[in-house]
Amino acid sequence: GAGVSQTPSNKVTEKGKYVELRCDPISGHTALYWYRQSLGQGPEFLIYFQGTGAADDSGLPNDRFFAVRPEGSVSTLKIQRTERGDSAVYLCASSFLVSETQYFGPGTRLLVL
Amino acid sequence: AQSVTQLGSHVSVSEGALVLLRCNYSSSVPPYLFWYVQYPNQGLQLLLKYTSAATLVKGINGFEAEFKKSETSFHLTKPSAHMSDAAEYFCAVSGNTNAGKSTFGDGTTLTVKP
Repeated sequence: GAGVSQTPSNKVTEKGKYVELRCDPISGHTALYWYRQSLGQGPEFLIYFQGTGAADDSGLPNDRFFAVRPEGSVSTLKIQRTERGDSAVYLCASSFLVSETQYFGPGTRLLVL
Repeated sequence: AQSVTQLGSHVSVSEGALVLLRCNYSSSVPPYLFWYVQYPNQGLQLLLKYTSAATLVKGINGFEAEFKKSETSFHLTKPSAHMSDAAEYFCAVSGNTNAGKSTFGDGTTLTVKP
């Protein structure tokens, strides 16, 4: 089957705007993860889901960031009132179960002007 | 709390030489440890992982890593570098009580010279 897909692959927005980033996990994977990767750094954990519920959202930087996974499959990361510092590559990964191998998508490159 | 330190942001080796990429971790619970590789314009790919079984872990593409608890290290090695190994490598740690939350190092860029 297909791997993890993320849309859009690139997003340019203006400071203060709202953006949504989508992640389609591998079919049948119950766990889904969001990371943010800034230039020259490793991925930074944001949140992960077990099924529909957020099991750990301790990495979300502030209340402008929110993620949902209403049916336990596709997930959307939502960023309100974007700031230039939000510019990064947002990575999504999924795994069959938590603690099993995470498969990463290609990422969404977000640029906030 | 957990953290990862990758020593050396850039490593350069000659083709056929030993590859050694260093990773030290800290974790308040028994760790799970991972090495990922990222080729240019591609997603992260798991090379190998340690989850409390054998301390010497073999991965894909001839890479292996050894978990040393006393040194809190999980260094990645490959006996003979190939040009295709040129990429960025990330070490990551999670705890066995919250395996879904991984903390990554800042990465090491490996260059292989002909």
